[in-house]
Amino acid sequence: QSALTQPRSVSGSPGQSVTISCIGISSDVGADNYVSWYQHHPGKAPKLMIYDVNKRPSGVPDRFSGSKSGTTASLTISGLQADDEADYYCCSYTGRYSFVLGAGTKVTVL
Amino acid sequence: EVHLVESGGVVVQPGGSLRLSCAASGFTFDDYTMHWVRQVPGKGLEWISLISWDGGSTYYADSVRGRFTISRDNSKDSLFLQMSSLRTEDTALYYCARGNSIYYYGHFDYWGQGTLVTVST
Repeated sequence: QSALTQPRSVSGSPGQSVTISCIGISSDVGADNYVSWYQHHPGKAPKLMIYDVNKRPSGVPDRFSGSKSGTTASLTISGLQADDEADYYCCSYTGRYSFVLGAGTKVTVL
Repeated sequence: EVHLVESGGVVVQPGGSLRLSCAASGFTFDDYTMHWVRQVPGKGLEWISLISWDGGSTYYADSVRGRFTISRDNSKDSLFLQMSSLRTEDTALYYCARGNSIYYYGHFDYWGQGTLVTVST
């Protein structure tokens, strides 16, 4: 199972929006709605930001939103803040009792 | 509050064995599927294994199948990863993560901070 494809990095100024794409295939991202996104500040535990494509766990700001079209999922961060600077990973259940993650995208707040 | 604390990471020689542990607290442990996910230094996250709520079913990524064994002790709220025939490419930060329910599909809603395994001569 190949890793999901994410851009290596994206950047934006405070207050701007950035979108991270996550490209999979028909048997993972395209198969169902079990796509999730994680924020990872180095040295800390990864944090769930989006699950089931577009649902936010309690406590995650509504500046974070998710979507999916076909085999491509996306995470959008609106109103970018300094604390949003982190690595972001997408993840998909593959339907064969396994999961596949992306290589990660570094978000830089300029 | 949910807490997951990994331990057991050390420096080990290629071909060696190691057992990682993950102590869980703040939730009913046997209500959830559990996972191990790793991060090779400078690389992305890789899912490597899951175990059902009762320990009766286990699944692995191709990269570790046959060498790693996941297990759990629900009486002690603990998750384990027995690693054998270790290779230099197994060097990584190993995270335990909670599945979102008793089902295999879904997502990981809580993670630990990881324990570092270094495979080197």
